[in-house]
Amino acid sequence: GAGVSQSPSNKVTEKGKDVELRCDPISGHTALYWYRQSLGQGLEFLIYFQGNSAPDKSGLPSDRFSAERTGGSVSTLTIQRTQQEDSAVYLCASSLTSPHSNQPQHFGDGTRLSIL
Amino acid sequence: GDSVTQMEGPVTLSEEAFLTINCTYTATGYPSLFWYVQYPGEGLQLLLKATKADDKGSNKGFEATYRKETTSFHLEKGSVQVSDSAVYFCALAANFGNEKLTFGTGTRLTIIP
Repeated sequence: GAGVSQSPSNKVTEKGKDVELRCDPISGHTALYWYRQSLGQGLEFLIYFQGNSAPDKSGLPSDRFSAERTGGSVSTLTIQRTQQEDSAVYLCASSLTSPHSNQPQHFGDGTRLSIL
Repeated sequence: GDSVTQMEGPVTLSEEAFLTINCTYTATGYPSLFWYVQYPGEGLQLLLKATKADDKGSNKGFEATYRKETTSFHLEKGSVQVSDSAVYFCALAANFGNEKLTFGTGTRLTIIP
């Protein structure tokens, strides 16, 4: 498909378990972003990958959260020892890089994570 | 830090009414401004954008003008339709090269026939 693809679409897990969320960006997009959408917090930035540069991790809420982007394409967001407050929709977005202006981000449908 | 403040919802209007959703921002430098929309059961998608002062973004009958003097980017539409029912998010990207988005809290819009 032509859009950003995320998997799984839904994930239910027990408190304390680790989870991995996957994002396939649009082909050719060098920038990749993770956001979290939760009740009471709105949409929050988590982490940003741009090409081969060091990622901007400034939005990660704790050291239980980490993300990788292999080969400049697919990204995995990992949450270790999940807590109930991690329950949210995790959104991935990708964009082209332009030397002239910020390019719009294209979002996936998200992974709805529920921690029991 | 950077922030976006938008009109609290929910907003309910009759079909063909005029719509305004207010959005103001705080940022250093010269941010780019965006409106994103999330229709029921769908993902977040870009509605319109403006990258410099006095630019007007427009799409699907919606418009928003980048006002640096009032740090605002209000969303307007002259005649809303039932199909416009969705959640609308105002957002900024702080500076060129720092492209992560800071979002407002979202405004749920419901249009009744």
